[in-house]
Amino acid sequence: DAKTTQPTSMDCAEGRAANLPCNHSTISGNEYVYWYRQIHSQGPQYIIHGLKNNETNEMASLIITEDRKSSTLILPHATLRDTAVYYCIVRGTLRRSGNTPLVFGKGTRLSVIA
Amino acid sequence: EPEVTQTPSHQVTQMGQEVILRCVPISNHLYFYWYRQILGQKVEFLVSFYNNEISEKSEIFDDQFSVERPDGSNFTLKIRSTKLEDSAMYFCASSGGGAHEQFFGPGTRLTVL
Repeated sequence: DAKTTQPTSMDCAEGRAANLPCNHSTISGNEYVYWYRQIHSQGPQYIIHGLKNNETNEMASLIITEDRKSSTLILPHATLRDTAVYYCIVRGTLRRSGNTPLVFGKGTRLSVIA
Repeated sequence: EPEVTQTPSHQVTQMGQEVILRCVPISNHLYFYWYRQILGQKVEFLVSFYNNEISEKSEIFDDQFSVERPDGSNFTLKIRSTKLEDSAMYFCASSGGGAHEQFFGPGTRLTVL
């Protein structure tokens, strides 16, 4: 699976949009971009994933560049409860059994400030 | 909303003892995983399980570890003879396969004394 690069930490004012970047320049055509977050020592929480097109759900939006070499996770109105470590993970799925594991990096520690 | 559950939330054991960590995946999921996170470190993949057999395992998952799906609902991780370095949070996850997202449980904190 392709390697990802994320900033170590970011701050965001409460109520503002949080834009978390991720570089994945070696991504291949069958690899998806996933975003998870981990609040303190809780289990990682799925946020969103995409292949080529931009995606939006109730939690966030995912913007993937046309060349797919980078992406941005957008939390439109950050709250204090969004303070967490955010992981960008590139994951292929075309294995025999289709259940490829997630490879977590160090992620971005987002601090939402009141 | 369906969720992955894990028991116990905290397990304390003596070095050399066997422990079994339990997970109940989401009911219609077919793929199951164990990950661990040593305090202050990254989340690491241990093993994946599908169709009653191990699909993939990492270097961490040595002969001291085993997994089992003893019935239609539980998924267990056994550590045969615990070491101090096994102290970590252990997370179970399940998914519907393919590009489907993995859902994680709240974790079991294992402390080996």
